[in-house]
Amino acid sequence: AQTVTQSQPEMSVQEAETVTLSCTYDTSESDYYLFWYKQPPSRQMILVIRQEAYKQQNATENRFSVNFQKAAKSFSLKISDSQLGDAAMYFCAYRSAVDSNYQLIWGAGTKLIIKP
Amino acid sequence: EAQVTQNPRYLITVTGKKLTVTCSQNMNHEYMSWYRQDPGLGLRQIYYSMNVEVTDKGDVPEGYKVSRKEKRNFPLILESPSPNQTSLYFCASSLLGGAETQYFGPGTRLLVL
Repeated sequence: AQTVTQSQPEMSVQEAETVTLSCTYDTSESDYYLFWYKQPPSRQMILVIRQEAYKQQNATENRFSVNFQKAAKSFSLKISDSQLGDAAMYFCAYRSAVDSNYQLIWGAGTKLIIKP
Repeated sequence: EAQVTQNPRYLITVTGKKLTVTCSQNMNHEYMSWYRQDPGLGLRQIYYSMNVEVTDKGDVPEGYKVSRKEKRNFPLILESPSPNQTSLYFCASSLLGGAETQYFGPGTRLLVL
């Protein structure tokens, strides 16, 4: 079974600086998708960024980018120019490309604190 | 506006009193799913549905039921709630396909006394 591990329960960063959140996963599959979701205090789950395992190029969305290391099974999220609105729980999630249930497998989350 | 709605948003109940949490989506998605979120555990899938009348168990289905009589609705039923079902519940929907983004409802905070 696949697992997702986020080893940093909490991270803090000064406003305008860069922070990297770590995520590792375990799978025997070669084709899958990886996601980062943000959960602000409102509790709404918001998709931040998505990576397809077959793509070598790292995904980027404005100030958010990932470092996808397939061999190492690592999928870190980099947030540049951190803003107060980035304060939230961040979850890494895995989804198989072959399992028919389309289930998302989630890490435990990292709480990101932005210091003004 | 494309969205997933859940009701109620907050619910306090007592052990054994049947309850239903509704979920509705307006995006014509085939796939719908229920998750529960507990501190330190992330989200875990309870049940999912690939289309009308097609449902299956996720990782933590015990104590829950679902139905999918219409494409847009996917209610979660707790026939006899227990305190260990106190949690934050999310409904999600998407088009079929592993690459498709799952859209989440706003969550339902349930407390079972």
